[in-house]
Amino acid sequence: KAGVTQTPRYLIKTRGQQVTLSCSPISGHRSVSWYQQTPGQGLQFLFEYFSETQRNKGNFPGRFSGRQFSNSRSEMNVSTLELGDSALYLCASSLEGRGNTEAFFGQGTRLTVV
Amino acid sequence: AQSVTQLGSHVSVSEGALVLLRCNYSSSVPPYLFWYVQYPNQGLQLLLKYTSAATLVKGINGFEAEFKKSETSFHLTKPSAHMSDAAEYFCAVSLFLSGSARQLTFGSGTQLTVLP
Repeated sequence: KAGVTQTPRYLIKTRGQQVTLSCSPISGHRSVSWYQQTPGQGLQFLFEYFSETQRNKGNFPGRFSGRQFSNSRSEMNVSTLELGDSALYLCASSLEGRGNTEAFFGQGTRLTVV
Repeated sequence: AQSVTQLGSHVSVSEGALVLLRCNYSSSVPPYLFWYVQYPNQGLQLLLKYTSAATLVKGINGFEAEFKKSETSFHLTKPSAHMSDAAEYFCAVSLFLSGSARQLTFGSGTQLTVLP
């Protein structure tokens, strides 16, 4: 079974631009979460989607948004990029249900804002 | 609210020596606890998880962790370090929110160096 796939792996954007990152979960996983990883702040939760609905959101500004499609694939968008948005963005997918507790992560998208 | 504290941002051990990475958690409800490993420019790989079954949990690559409620700890150990264990290790706690919404809270990570 294929793992979580994130595209692209690397991105370079200019301050003020917007960017869209893509995540394909493991087949059958309907919960998709996004995390930001930076040297200064570590791993921080962005949001979680399930059945095309945002179910949980972290403490990030409204410039960070996401969506989920009917096939469970998810995208996140960052508008008006700032230098501080440079980070590794990780997507994770999970099976539904309290008995399915673990999240499986993709390789991440490394975003550099210049 | 839940939180995780990893003691020691950098740990160095000799090849063949015991690995001990420390993790303490804070949670208002019984937690689900995890250890993940991250190699350079890679995502997170699950090493092991605790979900209120056995308190001693065995994971991949010879790692194990023991849940101690009285100490609110979930330390990761490996009897004999291998060069390939050099990586960053993250302890995480998961809280199921309303419904089945979930969120992982991570510790700040411990960089493990294995010396030849």
